[in-house]
Amino acid sequence: GAGVSQSPSNKVTEKGKDVELRCDPISGHTALYWYRQSLGQGLEFLIYFQGNSAPDKSGLPSDRFSAERTGGSVSTLTIQRTQQEDSAVYLCASSLGAGGFQETQYFGPGTRLLVL
Amino acid sequence: GNSVTQMEGPVTLSEEAFLTINCTYTATGYPSLFWYVQYPGEGLQLLLKATKADDKGSNKGFEATYRKETTSFHLEKGSVQVSDSAVYFCALRDVFNFGNEKLTFGTGTRLTIIP
Repeated sequence: GAGVSQSPSNKVTEKGKDVELRCDPISGHTALYWYRQSLGQGLEFLIYFQGNSAPDKSGLPSDRFSAERTGGSVSTLTIQRTQQEDSAVYLCASSLGAGGFQETQYFGPGTRLLVL
Repeated sequence: GNSVTQMEGPVTLSEEAFLTINCTYTATGYPSLFWYVQYPGEGLQLLLKATKADDKGSNKGFEATYRKETTSFHLEKGSVQVSDSAVYFCALRDVFNFGNEKLTFGTGTRLTIIP
């Protein structure tokens, strides 16, 4: 079946602009996660959704970052007033549910963001 | 808090060599442990996992055993192939900390296999 999809695959923007990154999870997956992969910081957790709620936003690096999820499906990560240090690959993952021992997270291909 | 420490790379081996990538962890609870792999130009894929002490995860000839006494989850393969060239990430999830569903990753180890 279809995996996690993300768009755009690549995004180049100018410093100070806002960007929106989209994630379509695997159909039926109630949990959705955003991570960031950068050279200096490795793979970092940003935010986790269960349904449309975000019980854990602890990884969002600043108030310029926000995310929402609607209809328990698609999620959008928004970065306002982008800075060069925001350049990274933004990864989305989904899992069937949350909690328990067997919940494997499946990752999308990522959005590569470059802030000039 | 939770953390994962894995072997610094890059690692370069000849085809058919034995591979070990070390991974140790610190966790406040009783975590599930994972190895993810990222092939060139592709996304992260789950390679194997283990959910309790002494469990062995295995896939594609790779194995890792959950060792609670040494807090380790080392990745091994008996005979590597060129197609195994990738970046390997060790990760944990703290299953008893409800609401804390995130994966905590190690820094990744780049593996290159030469023919």
